[in-house]
Amino acid sequence: KQEVTQIPAALSVPEGENLVLNCSFTDSAIYNLQWFRQDPGKGLTSLLLIQSSQREQTSGRLNASLDKSSGRSTLYIAASQPGDSATYLCAVRRILTGGGNKLTFGTGTQLKVEL
Amino acid sequence: ETGVTQTPRHLVMGMTNKKSLKCEQHLGHNAMYWYKQSAKKPLELMFVYNFKEQTENNSVPSRFSPECPNSSHLFLHLHTLQPEDSALYLCASSQHQGQETQYFGPGTRLLVL
Repeated sequence: KQEVTQIPAALSVPEGENLVLNCSFTDSAIYNLQWFRQDPGKGLTSLLLIQSSQREQTSGRLNASLDKSSGRSTLYIAASQPGDSATYLCAVRRILTGGGNKLTFGTGTQLKVEL
Repeated sequence: ETGVTQTPRHLVMGMTNKKSLKCEQHLGHNAMYWYKQSAKKPLELMFVYNFKEQTENNSVPSRFSPECPNSSHLFLHLHTLQPEDSALYLCASSQHQGQETQYFGPGTRLLVL
């Protein structure tokens, strides 16, 4: 059974700091990995998706890396801003025997960027 | 605006009540999903519909009854719920039931008394 763990559970940093969020998964047979942002009352927004054959993806100040063999991914946020405050969720997708796929989520890292 | 809307946004119900959650997507997608997010727990996939047909039911109790009348609408009918069913219920959609990115609605915050 796939388990996804995110560390730390909560993080508070001053504005402008670079930070790293960690995600680990127990089953390395994944199809892709996705990072989401969850704002209160606004559901989830997809940030980055990394295919299993890729090592990293970048979007603006965000960079996500994937080391499938070790079961780890990191989300790097450069020059953090108060608007980055949210919960960040990591999810891994695997293909199921017989077809279909399953997305397994971590419990998230709650980030607060302070002025 | 994600293109996926959910109503109501908040719901308080007693254990003997019957209520329904509604999800609508305006993205032209063919797959829709219900997830449950409890405090301090990961999102749990409940149901998947692809082209209006249910393709996944992850051992969800029968007090939760989904309905998908067309590819744009998804309902979750609730009856005789338990307090532990209190959670955020999220709806999502994707082009197909595959590897594409899922787009999430804002969720319905449910409290069962």
